[in-house]
Parts: sequence; structure tokens; C-alpha cells
Amino acid sequence: QKEVEQNSGPLSVPEGAIASLNCTYSDRVSQSFFWYRQYSGKSPELIMSIYSNGDKEDGRFTAQLNKASQYVSLLIRDSQPSDSATYLCAVSWGGADGLTFGKGTHLIIQP
Amino acid sequence: DARVTQTPRHKVTEMGQEVTMRCQPILGHNTVFWYRQTMMQGLELLAYFRNRAPLDDSGMPKDRFSAEMPDATLATLKIQPSEPRDSAVYFCASGLPTENTGELFFGEGSRLTVL
Repeated sequence: QKEVEQNSGPLSVPEGAIASLNCTYSDRVSQSFFWYRQYSGKSPELIMSIYSNGDKEDGRFTAQLNKASQYVSLLIRDSQPSDSATYLCAVSWGGADGLTFGKGTHLIIQP
Repeated sequence: DARVTQTPRHKVTEMGQEVTMRCQPILGHNTVFWYRQTMMQGLELLAYFRNRAPLDDSGMPKDRFSAEMPDATLATLKIQPSEPRDSAVYFCASGLPTENTGELFFGEGSRLTVL
């Protein structure tokens, strides 16, 4: 069974520091990888996507993918209290059959 | 501003009652997904449609859940009869997934409480 694993947290990071969120997945067939942010009581919103090995940067966010290790991470630089949320890792197993989500990591940025 | 619209936003019902949730996907999106989110299980895929055709509903309890897409602007998820364990937030999402992309846009969710 194809699975996506995340540490549930909470992960507590001081304001201004780098927050590092990790995700592992079970199947090498995986094609596409996504990070969604979900504020309490709200719906998930896409913040990053990555499709090939290496790093992808977008503002304060960097996604890192290592397909050989079946590992994807999200770095948030200069963390702000507004970054406090649950971060969901999602994987597409190939084709267009939807995403499998991890259970999310609850991130708390301490002022 | 294109967005996925879901109704109702909140529903409280008694065990045994029928519940119908509705979703209007973003115009032009050909794939619609129903997810259920609970604290214990996270986001679980229930069913999805492509070009209105049901492709996979293996995530749904077949005896009580049904999903349909009567036209391109409406997807429905019905629970009959409802049970307390169905209490969750139900999200509809739409997108144009291909081999290389899979971005989904989520509605605001329907929070269901079954007493």
C-alpha cells in the first residue's frame, strides 16, 4: 500500500529561525510532490510543488526532493508567526489519479 | 476569482438521517475529488471523477456512501444512513491533473457532525 509519512509534531521553532519539515513516501513510482499548508479550520492550500531531484526555491520556502531516498522536505526561512499551521505532504503516484496525503506536521512559530 | 464551492459548510444531523453534500468545481477543471479529513486518519480520498465519469470510489464505504456528478458544475456526495463515525470534514477538490502535475484546489469543506 502506498503511504506518505510525516512526523505529526508539534514542531516548535522560534521566530526568525529555519523550520524544517520532512516527509517520506513508500513507492518509487511517485512522480510529483506537493506541500500544502492548512490553517486551523481552513482548507489545504498549495504552497510548493516539486517534480525532479534537487532544490526548488520560492521566496522563503525551499522544497527538497531526493527520489533515491524517497524523501521530500520543506524549509521555511525567517519563520514568522503567520507560518504556524499544519503542513501536509502530498504525493502523486503517477498518472492523474489524485494525491495521497500525509497526516501533516503541526508547526508552531514562537514569537 | 475561481474557486471550488461547497455546501453546506456545516451540518449537524442525527444518526440514520440522509446527508447530501454538494460541490461546484472550478470551471474548466476536468477532475473532481472527494476527500474526508479526521484527526485520526488525516485526509483520505473517497472518490473521484474525470470528465464526469467515476474513476475510483474504493475509498468509500459502498453500503452507505454514494458519489455522483450529474453535470460538469455539480458533484454530490451522499451518506444514507449516516452514522456517528461519519463525523468529519468533507472536502471537494478540483484540478487538471496530468502525468507531471497534480495541483488540486480545495473547497472550504463541509463539516459534518452526526449525533
